[in-house]
Amino acid sequence: DGGITQSPKYLFRKEGQNVTLSCEQNLNHDAMYWYRQDPGQGLRLIYYSQIVNDFQKGDIAEGYSVSREKKESFPLTVTSAQKNPTAFYLCASSWSRNNEQFFGPGTRLTVL
Amino acid sequence: AQSVTQPDIHITVSEGASLELRCNYSYGATPYLFWYVQSPGQGLQLLLKYFSGDTLVQGIKGFEAEFKRSQSSFNLRKPSVHWSDAAEYFCAVGPMNRDDKIIFGKGTRLHILP
Repeated sequence: DGGITQSPKYLFRKEGQNVTLSCEQNLNHDAMYWYRQDPGQGLRLIYYSQIVNDFQKGDIAEGYSVSREKKESFPLTVTSAQKNPTAFYLCASSWSRNNEQFFGPGTRLTVL
Repeated sequence: AQSVTQPDIHITVSEGASLELRCNYSYGATPYLFWYVQSPGQGLQLLLKYFSGDTLVQGIKGFEAEFKRSQSSFNLRKPSVHWSDAAEYFCAVGPMNRDDKIIFGKGTRLHILP
């Protein structure tokens, strides 16, 4: 089945450690996105990529980094510079920027 | 700048009653419009979308939405809700040009009374 996978579902890290969240899609989509979701805040865009080896900052990119070495994969690293990393992280993909986005199941990150 | 407003943070309806969730947008032209649903701890699922054409759009799970240009609205409706419809609903405005990004509303949490 085609879709987007995110792993792990739950992730716990100690403060000060970098952590990488995985996102893989087999939909052959060109564009991929990372969102952060906090209660009452809706979805906030962290980074997006429209093509391999290219990506742009979203609204809240500080403390995060991404790479897009393969069309299928768009991992997100939450660095120690992110002041409040505990949140629910959603990855999405789309054919292009003005098409509907398909979402993964999310990763809940808790920093202790 | 484009924006999306969902005026209701929470809505409670009885099972079997009709539902309307409001969405207003601000955009310089007719945008692409979407409604998504999210169950707790899950990703978002697309319910329906509007790109052009017929202003009444049918979606999955018995939902529909109507685009009203004069009111800058794209309200989501369902004639009779089921307990399984309890979830959070997000309206989104899609980018029309290279420099825009898709913008999501802050969501409306739907509660269903038995």
